[in-house]
Amino acid sequence: GDSVTQMEGPVTLSEEAFLTINCTYTATGYPSLFWYVQYPGEGLQLLLKATKADDKGSNKGFEATYRKETTSFHLEKGSVQVSDSAVYFCALPMNRDDKIIFGKGTRLHILP
Amino acid sequence: GAVVSQHPSRVICKSGTSVKIECRSLDFQATTMFWYRQFPKQSLMLMATSNEGSKATYEQGVEKDKFLINHASLTLSTLTVTSAHPEDSSFYICSAQGPQGETQYFGPGTRLLVL
Repeated sequence: GDSVTQMEGPVTLSEEAFLTINCTYTATGYPSLFWYVQYPGEGLQLLLKATKADDKGSNKGFEATYRKETTSFHLEKGSVQVSDSAVYFCALPMNRDDKIIFGKGTRLHILP
Repeated sequence: GAVVSQHPSRVICKSGTSVKIECRSLDFQATTMFWYRQFPKQSLMLMATSNEGSKATYEQGVEKDKFLINHASLTLSTLTVTSAHPEDSSFYICSAQGPQGETQYFGPGTRLLVL
């Protein structure tokens, strides 16, 4: 069945470091792909999305490119900030019934 | 963007009591609302899908008599945890979706602690 696998955390980086959080998926067809972010004590927010192969979603300095050939949607940021500390979820919407399959989440700690 | 609120944000209750959590779409009509549960250090688990005016559809393994969901209007859905027990302690998150089936908008979540 459809699934999402993302790298386990926690990930700890210093401020201004380069960030990559890996995400791969298994799905039938060509779904959209999302990254959600959950800041401490808050609910999920949509961070970025891509709707078709080779699309690049971007927001707040984060980017992710939909790679059909590697079934990946890795999240990247060139220079992280302390305020980026959060849990990041890769997600795969199942279009047929609007359900969303989430990865397990990757906790990111940014040290000043 | 669209705003979804949840109330309360945090609740502590005694074992055996019932707790109601509200989910509201503040600036759009939500024909479909979803209820998720988040276990510590784990991903979200979809509990049920509710469409306005009809019975909720529960995911496998979720007790419908324990987690009562009501979606009586296009802006409000409620989740009632009946006869709560400590193992029901968790973070409950709702999301709402408009009639066009676009992006789900998530509420801020409700942390439930059952003593």
